[in-house]
Amino acid sequence: LAKTTQPISMDSYEGQEVNITCSHNNIATNDYITWYQQFPSQGPRFIIQGYKTKVTNEVASLFIPADRKSSTLSLPRVSLSDTAVYYCLVGDRSNYQLIWGAGTKLIIKP
Amino acid sequence: DSGVTQTPKHLITATGQRVTLRCSPRSGDLSVYWYQQSLDQGLQFLIQYYNGEERAKGNILERFSAQQFPDLHSELNLSSLELGDSALYFCASSASGSSYEQYFGPGTRLTVT
Repeated sequence: LAKTTQPISMDSYEGQEVNITCSHNNIATNDYITWYQQFPSQGPRFIIQGYKTKVTNEVASLFIPADRKSSTLSLPRVSLSDTAVYYCLVGDRSNYQLIWGAGTKLIIKP
Repeated sequence: DSGVTQTPKHLITATGQRVTLRCSPRSGDLSVYWYQQSLDQGLQFLIQYYNGEERAKGNILERFSAQQFPDLHSELNLSSLELGDSALYFCASSASGSSYEQYFGPGTRLTVT
């Protein structure tokens, strides 16, 4: 099973681009990578999902290198409301196992 | 609002007791997932059901059990409760059994005294 590792915390400033990286060295062929955002006392909220290369939606981009041993969530021009915990999830579609990272606490300063 | 509902919002009970948490998935979603999140900790995946059948098990204790009913709502049963079971319990749903685009409910906060 893949194990995921994320930085415990990160700080940035409003208007900056923030990149959060998740390591998943043992990722398997069938594993997809998904990122979630969680505010205190709320359920996580889906941000983006990918398998390889680059995926972009209206709120974020996800970069996955060719070896897929890591992934980077990129948040463009962050604001104070982006202060939250961000989780990466590696999901194996062959056996349905879910491996969640421990979460990265992102603090955005004015 | 994710469309996933959980009841109750809060639950306070004593050690040794048994409780049932309820989840209604988003309309049309066939999969239900249960998670435990202790204070300031990450998410622990407990179990997944797909269309009434158990699909995957995570770190679920033997004292815990779950089921998904024909109308697709799910219940998580926690028995012989211990102080360490105090946590937020989240339910999530997804459209298929292999989609990791999950929609989370607001959670049930369980306090065991």
